[in-house]
Amino acid sequence: DIQMTQSPSSLSASVGDRVTITCRASQGIRNDLAWYQQRPGKAPERLIYAASTLQSGVPPRFSGSGSGTEFTLTISSLQPEDFATYYCLQHNIYPHTFGQGTKLEIK
Amino acid sequence: QVLLHQRGAGLLKSSETLSLTCTVYGDLFSDYYWSWIRQPPGKGLEWIGEINHSGISNYNVSLKSRLTISVDTSKNQISLSLRSVTAADTAVYYCARRILTSSPLSWGQGTRVTVSS
Repeated sequence: DIQMTQSPSSLSASVGDRVTITCRASQGIRNDLAWYQQRPGKAPERLIYAASTLQSGVPPRFSGSGSGTEFTLTISSLQPEDFATYYCLQHNIYPHTFGQGTKLEIK
Repeated sequence: QVLLHQRGAGLLKSSETLSLTCTVYGDLFSDYYWSWIRQPPGKGLEWIGEINHSGISNYNVSLKSRLTISVDTSKNQISLSLRSVTAADTAVYYCARRILTSSPLSWGQGTRVTVSS
């Protein structure tokens, strides 16, 4: 199985901060990676697909980059509604695998 | 706009069979892959498996011996059956839809399943 190592596991930040979350794949997955946001009690929502394509309707403060084995999600200026948990997902090889998640909390 | 509506029993005893359905409304059923994903309480997301409208499926090896995912195109419905459940299968279960070359975009509302001993 491809292991997705996501870091950090938790992050404390303030409104207006710029934050970056990283996912490393144990082998190359081209750009077959997505980023999801999950709020408590809700289903995940896709923010980024194909590693760097912004999902329609998602604010442009979210951006993704990377290819192969290293990927990043950046939030350029945190807003109050961004405090949630974030996951990466690789869908290049079965079984598809998620990162462990990053809980973004208010400082 | 597509809607994925999940149904199924939320409380089971150890050794019973977990059965969930996911019915698709408002869009074509074909040309998509239909995934099941779960999330134990307080933990991360785990990919369970998926199937397409032709019945071609892929499963997480860790669950494969107990798992069946099936499709009923006449009902626009996908089903999950997980046999011999234990407390470790306690989780919120989601169905989700993706196209072959991408990741899941549309998700069901989630079904909370609790397995008691």
